Amino acid sequence: AQSVSQHNHHVILSEAASLELGCNYSYGGTVNLFWYVQYPGQHLQLLLKYFSGDPLVKGIKGFEAEFIKSKFSFNLRKPSVQWSDTAEYFCAVRESGYSTLTFGKGTMLLVSP
Amino acid sequence: SQTIHQWPATLVQPVGSPLSLECTVEGTSNPNLYWYRQAAGRGLQLLFYSVGIGQISSEVPQNLSASRPQDRQFILSSKKLLLSDSGFYLCAWTQGVNGYTFGSGTRLTVV
Repeated sequence: AQSVSQHNHHVILSEAASLELGCNYSYGGTVNLFWYVQYPGQHLQLLLKYFSGDPLVKGIKGFEAEFIKSKFSFNLRKPSVQWSDTAEYFCAVRESGYSTLTFGKGTMLLVSP
Repeated sequence: SQTIHQWPATLVQPVGSPLSLECTVEGTSNPNLYWYRQAAGRGLQLLFYSVGIGQISSEVPQNLSASRPQDRQFILSSKKLLLSDSGFYLCAWTQGVNGYTFGSGTRLTVV
């Protein structure tokens, strides 16, 4: 079965620090990859997605992620975080041709002002 | 535009009581519908999904069931709740190969 690993459960950063959240998946075939964000008290929102093409994808609010097929990874990055980026971040993977997503356990990011 | 409605937002139910959580989608037709449960530190666990009316796939055998009586309606049920059913339940929809759009969730506490 497909599995998704997010390396850090909790990350604490100061404003303006750079962010990288790790995500690895287990499936060896073609995959679609997603990052979702859940701000405090809000519902899950799509941050960015990768289906094919340029492995570096850009999402909302300055986030980007890089798909490295050889490493089965889809790490999320942001050059300079803001206090408003405090949220829980979920990586998700879907095997191509299937409709269900498998989620990682999430990473709680706390950005101190 | 498409919207997804999920209710109630919070629910406190005694052990052994029945459960019915409802999710409806507007502004689209024939969506794929999903029920997830979110637990702190454990991410999102897929419970059920449906690709059409009356078609339900169960991912995790448990005390819950799902039904899709109409194209844009997805219901999560239980005949007798257990303490372990407490959690945050999320409904989501998608079409084609797009990502999911999630509802606002229901916080269920079984006492």
